[in-house]
Amino acid sequence: DAKTTQPPSMDCAEGRAANLPCNHSTISGNEYVYWYRQIHSQGPQYIIHGLKNNETNEMASLIITEDRKSSTLILPHATLRDTAVYYCIVREGRNAGNMLTFGGGTRLMVKP
Amino acid sequence: DTGVSQDPRHKITKRGQNVTFRCDPISEHNRLYWYRQTLGQGPEFLTYFQNEAQLEKSRLLSDRFSAERPKGSFSTLEIQRTEQGDSAMYLCASSLAPGSYEQYFGPGTRLTVT
Repeated sequence: DAKTTQPPSMDCAEGRAANLPCNHSTISGNEYVYWYRQIHSQGPQYIIHGLKNNETNEMASLIITEDRKSSTLILPHATLRDTAVYYCIVREGRNAGNMLTFGGGTRLMVKP
Repeated sequence: DTGVSQDPRHKITKRGQNVTFRCDPISEHNRLYWYRQTLGQGPEFLTYFQNEAQLEKSRLLSDRFSAERPKGSFSTLEIQRTEQGDSAMYLCASSLAPGSYEQYFGPGTRLTVT
């Protein structure tokens, strides 16, 4: 699976959009971009995934650049409960069957 | 609650003792995964099962570690002769494969070896 690079930490004001970047310059054509987050003392939680088109669900939006070498997770109206470590993961195939390879993630702090 | 559950949530043991953790996946999920997470790091894959068959093991899973899923439902992870380096959060996840893209994680078991 391709390696990802994320900033170690970010701050965001409550109610504002949080934009979390991820670089995956070695991504290959059949690799998907997944985002998970881990709130303190909990297990990771799936957020969203995509291949090349932008995706949106009730939690977030995922913007993938045209060359697929980077992506941005957008939390449109961050709340204090969004404070967590966010992991960008690149993995072959859409199937959840294979293991997840987590990096260090981005620690997002949402401030009042 | 129909999510993934793990027991115990916390375990303190002395070096050299054996410990066993249990994971109960979401009932219809056929895949079950174990991960380990040390402080400040992302989770690291240990092993996974498809029903009762153990299909893959990480090189992190030394001979002191053994995992089972005897009837394709719950799973146990045993660590023999614990070492201080085994102190970590042990996470279990489950999924329905093929077809599902999401792994559902439990709350984890935090192991402290003194």
